[in-house]
Amino acid sequence: GIQVEQSPPDLILQEGANSTLRCNFSDSVNNLQWFHQNPWGQLINLFYIPSGTKQNGRLSATTVATERYSLLYISSSQTTDSGVYFCPDDYKLSFGAGTTVTVRA
Amino acid sequence: NAGVTQTPKFQVLKTGQSMTLQCAQDMNHEYMSWYRQDPGMGLRLIHYSVGAGITDQGEVPNGYNVSRSTTEDFPLRLLSAAPSQTSVYFCASSYAGTSGQETQYFGPGTRLLVL
Repeated sequence: GIQVEQSPPDLILQEGANSTLRCNFSDSVNNLQWFHQNPWGQLINLFYIPSGTKQNGRLSATTVATERYSLLYISSSQTTDSGVYFCPDDYKLSFGAGTTVTVRA
Repeated sequence: NAGVTQTPKFQVLKTGQSMTLQCAQDMNHEYMSWYRQDPGMGLRLIHYSVGAGITDQGEVPNGYNVSRSTTEDFPLRLLSAAPSQTSVYFCASSYAGTSGQETQYFGPGTRLLVL
């Protein structure tokens, strides 16, 4: 099955900083999504983005399907951005370990 | 819409007991999936379904059964609980769409402790 590599595995930010999370895929991307799991365990869909760029407030995502990667940009980070970010590609596949983001006040 | 609901929120079992984790969605989604989440291991797929009457195995199906008799419901059965099944279980659903799976929605999770 398709392999997903997320980087960095851990990220510590000062409130207000910007950051970029990356997902690399071993095969074609078809149904890429970005999820945020907050510290209480709730999983929230941020973007459904099989290709192109989308923005939602301080967050934006870009997927370059032909080069098999996707980026999630967090601007002006807030403590509520803390948690784990996942980028699965298909409902038939497991998620990886994700990127753990800690935003310090 | 209630979205994806899961019951119970928390359960304690003894080794060898059986139980069913319930999952329901009211969005008429074709695709439904069950995951387990253990510390530091992301979400691992247990079973999934592409529609009523159709199920298939994911990465870690051993010890679990599923069925999909209706579009709305996708219960997960633990046949004989083991301590290794202590985990947080998530159910998810998504619309099939015209070009493949679309946005996936998750339930709040069920915390299971097997003693």
